[in-house]
Amino acid sequence: DAKTTQPNSMESNEEEPVHLPCNHSTISGTDYIHWYRQLPSQGPEYVIHGLTSNVNNRMASLAIAEDRKSSTLILHRATLRDAAVYYCILRDLTLTNAGKSTFGDGTTLTVKP
Amino acid sequence: NAGVTQTPKFQVLKTGQSMTLQCAQDMNHEYMSWYRQDPGMGLRLIHYSVGAGITDQGEVPNGYNVSRSTTEDFPLRLLSAAPSQTSVYFCASSYFPSGRYNEQFFGPGTRLTVL
Repeated sequence: DAKTTQPNSMESNEEEPVHLPCNHSTISGTDYIHWYRQLPSQGPEYVIHGLTSNVNNRMASLAIAEDRKSSTLILHRATLRDAAVYYCILRDLTLTNAGKSTFGDGTTLTVKP
Repeated sequence: NAGVTQTPKFQVLKTGQSMTLQCAQDMNHEYMSWYRQDPGMGLRLIHYSVGAGITDQGEVPNGYNVSRSTTEDFPLRLLSAAPSQTSVYFCASSYFPSGRYNEQFFGPGTRLTVL
């Protein structure tokens, strides 16, 4: 299974942009790149996903490298409520791999007021 | 929509006891899965299902059984609880194999302690 590598922790100041990196050098052509975040004592929450092109939604932006071996989650203006563990995962929706996804240990984002 | 619901929220078992963790979703999702999360760690896939009557093993299936008789429900059974199964258990669901709408929705978790 393709794996992802993320920094253990990152810090940001409130209202500043945050760029969370993820390496996935063994990504296959059918893997979607997903980002989730987990607040303390809660289940993971979907943030964004993409395949090849950059994506934007109300929560964040996802920048995908041209070779797809890395991606960056961008929070445009961090708030204290964005403090969480962020997971970058790969999800293969072919019938062979049946949508399995592997979570790494994620990046703990601390937002300072 | 209630989304993904899990019961119970908390459970304490003695070694050797068996129990079933319940998971239900009302979004008509084909794909359902169970993860466990140990303290300070990421999530590990236990079992998953791509539709009623179809289940398969994930990374850490030993000691757990699943079945999927309906689209809505995906119970996880602990056959003989061991202290190593103390963890938080999350159920998730999503459309499958849709590419555009395949985000997973997670339940609130069941916190299990095995003494």
